[in-house]
Amino acid sequence: QKEVEQDPGPLSVPEGAIVSLNCTYSNSAFQYFMWYRQYSRKGPELLMYTYSSGNKEDGRFTAQVDKSSKYISLFIRDSQPSDSATYLCAMTPPRGAQKLVFGQGTRLTINP
Amino acid sequence: DVKVTQSSRYLVKRTGEKVFLECVQDMDHENMFWYRQDPGLGLRLIYFSYDVKMKEKGDIPEGYSVSREKKERFSLILESASTNQTSMYLCASQGRRYNEQFFGPGTRLTVL
Repeated sequence: QKEVEQDPGPLSVPEGAIVSLNCTYSNSAFQYFMWYRQYSRKGPELLMYTYSSGNKEDGRFTAQVDKSSKYISLFIRDSQPSDSATYLCAMTPPRGAQKLVFGQGTRLTINP
Repeated sequence: DVKVTQSSRYLVKRTGEKVFLECVQDMDHENMFWYRQDPGLGLRLIYFSYDVKMKEKGDIPEGYSVSREKKERFSLILESASTNQTSMYLCASQGRRYNEQFFGPGTRLTVL
């Protein structure tokens, strides 16, 4: 069983829809959670990061962490064609320098 | 903003050639990473480095080596390139606050 599970999709939604992207994990030591966005043929760019449980909002994006369920989500409101990309979740324990554990990535397409 | 640069965006090499991929970061980060990314397999960690002249194997180090002579520069070496090393190679530098990683644009390597 992988430490982090993420549905690879693909996921296709109409412009303006609310998108929900999710990851589950098995390691209860994970404390820092990140979402990356990767456009085709580019490197991943850090979109959001959160610490422990709760919500964090940045514009149209909301990251949510539920540590009791070992479940994290990224919501995109009013989705735009420019949001079409692969979204990767990543997580790590808090202490010291740690490797990130990545999900496989979900490929998202927003149709105009 | 953190800037991570990689020496080439696209590279074509022949089987058996020695290949050097270079990565430079400008944020004085101690930790740097090399990944490869393949469809359906996600990001896989090849090697990482916690300091100058320090290196540690990741999940798939076979066929690769690394060099970290200066803090800002981390090189990945393919001693004798093989066709199964055709892939997207991504370098990352790690921040200190949330262990977040900042990626370069990637090098798409094709081995013929």
